[in-house]
Amino acid sequence: DSGVTQTPKHLITATGQRVTLRCSPRSGDLSVYWYQQSLDQGLQFLIQYYNGEERAKGNILERFSAQQFPDLHSELNLSSLELGDSALYFCASSQGPLSYEQYFGPGTRLTVT
Amino acid sequence: GENVEQHPSTLSVQEGDSAVIKCTYSDSASNYFPWYKQELGKGPQLIIDIRSNVGEKKDQRIAVTLNKTAKHFSLHITETQPEDSAVYFCAAGKRISSGSARQLTFGSGTQLTVLP
Repeated sequence: DSGVTQTPKHLITATGQRVTLRCSPRSGDLSVYWYQQSLDQGLQFLIQYYNGEERAKGNILERFSAQQFPDLHSELNLSSLELGDSALYFCASSQGPLSYEQYFGPGTRLTVT
Repeated sequence: GENVEQHPSTLSVQEGDSAVIKCTYSDSASNYFPWYKQELGKGPQLIIDIRSNVGEKKDQRIAVTLNKTAKHFSLHITETQPEDSAVYFCAAGKRISSGSARQLTFGSGTQLTVLP
């Protein structure tokens, strides 16, 4: 158990809908990362936050957005969902924005029908 | 950007044998190389990492080697056990251009199966 928690574990929704995924980092970690894992794309970095501020952006679609709250938990919002958005979404955390080690949560499996 | 290639995509070994997974990276600015183990239904778990100022690191049955000149690094698992069966990912980490964060680029994964 890495100490990173994610909810919900599974999510099934229809195309065009909007969902919110939630992540709580390990105790003491200030930086949060979001990744998408699909069968054909592997683990793709989406976005990083540190202490409430966006620090780095990867291949995140405009339909997706994220934020980190004062209590350091983070939410990833996915809107206008398409079938291709079906994937595992992982949150990871680290002590700081330049920390080497990232610790992953158990993930949220999103299925868009 | 960084590109990380990982081989093989699948690997089957007999229990007790050794397993080797290899990765290459493209960006010489990468200076951190972690390995993650992902079991079915779980998130990736950091199992070992190496920084570019070190050539080799060992932790019990697991070792990682790094050749900076050739831009490749490898994971070695000795005396494999059935519980080693999982997907293994390599990654390369570097500071992003703004200097304000460190980013990981992952390989495509290796499904390791240890046959009893």
